[in-house]
Amino acid sequence: EAGVAQSPRYKIIEKRQSVAFWCNPISGHATLYWYQQILGQGPKLLIQFQNNGVVDDSQLPKDRFSAERLKGVDSTLKIQPAKLEDSAVYLCASRTPEGEQFFGPGTRLTVL
Amino acid sequence: GESVGLHLPTLSVQEGDNSIINCAYSNSASDYFIWYKQESGKGPQFIIDIRSNMDKRQGQRVTVLLNKTVKHLSLQIAATQPGDSAVYFCAENRWNQGGKLIFGQGTELSVKP
Repeated sequence: EAGVAQSPRYKIIEKRQSVAFWCNPISGHATLYWYQQILGQGPKLLIQFQNNGVVDDSQLPKDRFSAERLKGVDSTLKIQPAKLEDSAVYLCASRTPEGEQFFGPGTRLTVL
Repeated sequence: GESVGLHLPTLSVQEGDNSIINCAYSNSASDYFIWYKQESGKGPQFIIDIRSNMDKRQGQRVTVLLNKTVKHLSLQIAATQPGDSAVYFCAENRWNQGGKLIFGQGTELSVKP
């Protein structure tokens, strides 16, 4: 079974630029999550989707971050404009109906 | 606020020894915990979970202990191998909030050959 796919794996941008990350969850998983993992810390939930609807975006900095999952499968996370403190690994995860979450390899973002 | 945290940021053990990684939580209502292993350049990988109706759960070479009285859980790895070197996280699974995970800080385990 294919795992959660993410791209790109690495991205370097300058502050105030825009960036987008893409996630393809495991086939059939209705629930999708985006986490932010700052170096040396555990992942922190940014947003959760159930199919194409947002379940929880309470931790998403909505002035600069946006995410969508238009067809209930793939998802994109965008940052516009980026700040230095956005440097982190952005992890996508999808969940089985039984509740187990599977994580992708992440996108490492460096903001200069 | 409510949190999940680990006691030590790093742990170094000799190959073949047993490893113990500890975690504390603050919310007495927390009832479902998961241990994850994260290798460099990869996402967290499920190791073992435990619900509050259990004190102990065993897997292959791993055991999780839950002490609800002191709000503490631990991950024990038997006969630690070089392939066990990674960062280990305990996480609270808030199944009643869409299954979102609240992660602790992580302990980096280094296994010396």
